Amino acid sequence: EAGVTQSPTHLIKTRGQQATLRCSPISGHTSVYWYQQALGLGLQFLLWYDEGEERNRGNFPPRFSGRQFPNYSSELNVNALELEDSALYLCASSESGLALTDTQYFGPGTRLTVL
Amino acid sequence: GNSVTQMEGPVTLSEEAFLTINCTYTATGYPSLFWYVQYPGEGLQLLLKATKADDKGSNKGFEATYRKETTSFHLEKGSVQVSDSAVYFCALASGTYKYIFGTGTRLKVLA
Repeated sequence: EAGVTQSPTHLIKTRGQQATLRCSPISGHTSVYWYQQALGLGLQFLLWYDEGEERNRGNFPPRFSGRQFPNYSSELNVNALELEDSALYLCASSESGLALTDTQYFGPGTRLTVL
Repeated sequence: GNSVTQMEGPVTLSEEAFLTINCTYTATGYPSLFWYVQYPGEGLQLLLKATKADDKGSNKGFEATYRKETTSFHLEKGSVQVSDSAVYFCALASGTYKYIFGTGTRLKVLA
């Protein structure tokens, strides 16, 4: 069974540009989560999608947005990129967003570098 | 609000030493607790979890017990190996905020 996949692996942008990151969850998983892992700061929760709806978002500005498609894949968009947006962006999926016991399965991440 | 606090690293141990990585949490209700591990160059993967008070999660020789009275979920291993070198994240899942991760503790095991 394929795990969570993310694309691209690396992305280099300049300040002010837009970045689009993509995630495909494990087959049968309906919930997708996005996290930012900046150097030395651990994981910061960005967004949670379940059944096509945004269920929750972390303390990030509105220029961080995303969506979930009918096949449960998801994309994260970051507009007006700033230098501090440089980080590893991790996507995770779980069977549903409703059970507190759900295990999240993580993808390998997309390394975004903003110059 | 909900939060997770784990000990700062890095933690450096010799092979076969005893490991403890402390994790405490603040949460309303009854969260589930998790330890995730991130090996060098890889994504996060679940190490173990506990879903109610006094539950003990275990995997690969690692253990952690959900202590509601001390709001803790400390990770332990009796004898670490070089291959255990990684970053360990404590996390909780609650109804409103879903997953909250600690800042991670880097473990380095020396041969």
